[in-house]
Amino acid sequence: EPEVTQTPSHQVTQMGQEVILRCVPISNHLYFYWYRQILGQKVEFLVSFYNNEISEKSEIFDDQFSVERPDGSNFTLKIRSTKLEDSAMYFCASSERKGSNQPQHFGDGTRLSIL
Amino acid sequence: QKEVEQDPGPLSVPEGAIVSLNCTYSNSAFQYFMWYRQYSRKGPELLMYTYSSGNKEDGRFTAQVDKSSKYISLFIRDSQPSDSATYLCAMISRNSGNTPLVFGKGTRLSVIA
Repeated sequence: EPEVTQTPSHQVTQMGQEVILRCVPISNHLYFYWYRQILGQKVEFLVSFYNNEISEKSEIFDDQFSVERPDGSNFTLKIRSTKLEDSAMYFCASSERKGSNQPQHFGDGTRLSIL
Repeated sequence: QKEVEQDPGPLSVPEGAIVSLNCTYSNSAFQYFMWYRQYSRKGPELLMYTYSSGNKEDGRFTAQVDKSSKYISLFIRDSQPSDSATYLCAMISRNSGNTPLVFGKGTRLSVIA
């Protein structure tokens, strides 16, 4: 069964450094998302992306964050100057078509640890 | 008031028991309701997806939605040790865009053999 793939599974970075999290969505999916889950808390929406543009973003997704689809398969989340509070699991998700009735499929996440 | 409330548990049941997991919500704009299962160190895996009020069954799983009470449930029949995981409810409002999911905190379930 097709799946969303995320790399790396665990990233350890010094505070202030830039980090790029990578995702390969399911191949025929057109809508992409990033969510994060701080330990012990809810999964929270960061950003959605379609047709090389951000569709929607949350308050969490401030100027230190950016997303990109550099080629036909990868979807990346960049955090420019990491902070301790950025430590979390970051999940990529994709859906096939537009609309609330299209289920979102998640990858297994990247655990980001900021030291 | 939080948008989606879910008792985090943990919930521990013997193998074969019927499990009931619940979420309440406050935003009447939510129209689509999902249950995800999350194993340790894994991403959320979609289990059930419902729109209208009523029941939807898939094997041992039944999802129930009561929009008038803003209450959703997931029932697991004949629970197995492999059902041990965190169960997340998620919901989404009616929107033509790629609208984000709003999650509950998740309920950790342990099924004891």
